[in-house]
Amino acid sequence: AQSVTQLDSQVPVFEEAPVELRCNYSSSVSVYLFWYVQYPNQGLQLLLKYLSGSTLVKGINGFEAEFNKSQTSFHLRKPSVHISDTAEYFCAVQGGKLIFGQGTELSVKP
Amino acid sequence: DTGVSQNPRHKITKRGQNVTFRCDPISEHNRLYWYRQTLGQGPEFLTYFQNEAQLEKSRLLSDRFSAERPKGSFSTLEIQRTEQGDSAMYLCASSSRQNNYGYTFGSGTRLTVV
Repeated sequence: AQSVTQLDSQVPVFEEAPVELRCNYSSSVSVYLFWYVQYPNQGLQLLLKYLSGSTLVKGINGFEAEFNKSQTSFHLRKPSVHISDTAEYFCAVQGGKLIFGQGTELSVKP
Repeated sequence: DTGVSQNPRHKITKRGQNVTFRCDPISEHNRLYWYRQTLGQGPEFLTYFQNEAQLEKSRLLSDRFSAERPKGSFSTLEIQRTEQGDSAMYLCASSSRQNNYGYTFGSGTRLTVV
């Protein structure tokens, strides 16, 4: 069985500062890994995904994530955040169906 | 490609009533998924279809819940005898082999049971 743990429920950060949202996963088989963003009262939008190959994955809106197999982590990073990045972020693992973490609320302050 | 469409966007119902939600997936996607999301939580898997066949159901899907996907196109999720605990956002997603089964989500249906 797969599971996902997002280590921070809330991350407050000032505009233009760097940010890292942490995600650890558990799986006994090879998996695909994803980050999704959810704006208020909206569905989920795919930010980026790791299927295979390069462990550094670049996504939309300037986000990137690094797959670390030895640490079973898939942390999301952005070097400089904007107010518009304020949203809920979900890490997910897919070994069959998609399993989500509990989410991290990113709050960007001016 | 108009994306995944869910209707209605919002539904308020009285406890004990039945409700039905509809999901129209991307037309060439053969897999369709239903998730439930409560406030402050990540989406939880409910069930999925490959074409018209319902291949997996979560234990979260009590006998008051039923999902169908006639002819492998749109899907409906019905909740009978709604309870306050059913209040949540119900998300639908679709995928296909052509995009490595990457999920495309709809905007969801928010259910409030009063």
